[in-house]
This record gives sequence, C-alpha cells and structure tokens, in this order.
Amino acid sequence: AQSVTQPDIHITVSEGASLELRCNYSYGATPYLFWYVQSPGQGLQLLLKYFSGDTLVQGIKGFEAEFKRSQSSFNLRKPSVHWSDAAEYFCGYNTNAGKSTFGDGTTLTVKP
Amino acid sequence: DAGVIQSPRHEVTEMGQEVTLRCKPISGHNSLFWYRQTMMRGLELLIYFNNNVPIDDSGMPEDRFSAKMPNASFSTLKIQPSEPRDSAVYFCASSVGVGAGETQYFGPGTRLLVL
Repeated sequence: AQSVTQPDIHITVSEGASLELRCNYSYGATPYLFWYVQSPGQGLQLLLKYFSGDTLVQGIKGFEAEFKRSQSSFNLRKPSVHWSDAAEYFCGYNTNAGKSTFGDGTTLTVKP
Repeated sequence: DAGVIQSPRHEVTEMGQEVTLRCKPISGHNSLFWYRQTMMRGLELLIYFNNNVPIDDSGMPEDRFSAKMPNASFSTLKIQPSEPRDSAVYFCASSVGVGAGETQYFGPGTRLLVL
C-alpha cells in the first residue's frame, strides 16, 4: 500500500539545538516528496520538495532534507532550531496525477 | 497576491443543518483541492479539480458531501445534512496545474464544529 509514515508524533528540542524529523514512504515508483509546515491556526506552507537530481534539498527557513532511496526516507533537518520553528510538520508525496498523500505529522516543541 | 481565500474561517452549526464552505483560489491557478484535517484521520484529500472539472473525488466520505467549481475563481464544499463527526478543519489549496511537481498553496482553513 502507498503511504507516508512519520514515526515521531511529538518532538521537543532546545532552542539552538539541531533537529531531525523522520519520514518514510511507501510508493511503487520514484516519488515526488515534500515537507510542509503548519503553524497553529494556519494553513500549510511548503518548506521544500524533491523531484530528482541532488538528493540533498535546501528549503526555506534554513531547513534541508535528504532523499535516501535505499531507506525510503526523506528526513528533514535543521542545524539550529529557533523558537519560531515550533509547529507541526508534514511529510508527503505527490503522484504523477498530482494527488497528494500526507503523513500524520510531527509536532515540534522548542524549549527556551 | 492575496493567496487562497476561504470563508468562513469558523462555523458552528447544529446537526442536520446544511453547511457551505467557500474557496477562492490564487488567480491563474488551474487546480483546486479540498482537504479535511482531524486528529483521528490527519490530513485527507477529499476532492480535486483541474480547469473546473472534478478529477478525483474518491476521498469524499459520503453522499452528504458535495463540491462544485462553477468557475476558475470559486469553489464550494457543501455538507448536507451535517453531523457531529464532520467537525474538522477544512482546507482549500490551489496550484498552477495538476502534476507531481506542482506546489499546492493552502488557505487558512475553515474550522467547522457541528453540535
């Protein structure tokens, strides 16, 4: 079955610490992967996306993600977290038909 | 650009009432998506349109739900009759086209509570 798994429901990190949010996917072909961020009471905003080419993708707000085909993973990273990064993060993919599948999300809490 | 506009932002209604959610996509975008977000089921794609034509409505939960896109700048999602289990945040998103590489731009959502 095609799906997206975000193993961590909730993660807490200290401000200034590094961050990695995990994402695994199950899809029959090469996926078009993305990460979105949702701040409280807001819609989703695209952080970055991957189609092909360089497996390390740079996004907005200092985020990056690495596509690892052998592990079916697309983990999101940030070297130093800011308090404003507290939000919910969604990994997902698009099919060739443009249909999107999202993971259940990971809520990030940032400690001062 | 104003982004995707949704109205109302909040809706409280009683069970059995008709609910209509509205969406104005970004000008020039040809594709429009309706999503529902709940704690139990996460973010689910309900239906999406391309050039005002419904492409995939397999996510629409049941016949009580219907969506229309009469023109390129307006879409509605209607629930009739509404039930408490329909309580959720409903998002509309738009993109330039339909395809794996297209970026979807989300509206702020409509928070629906059915009592």
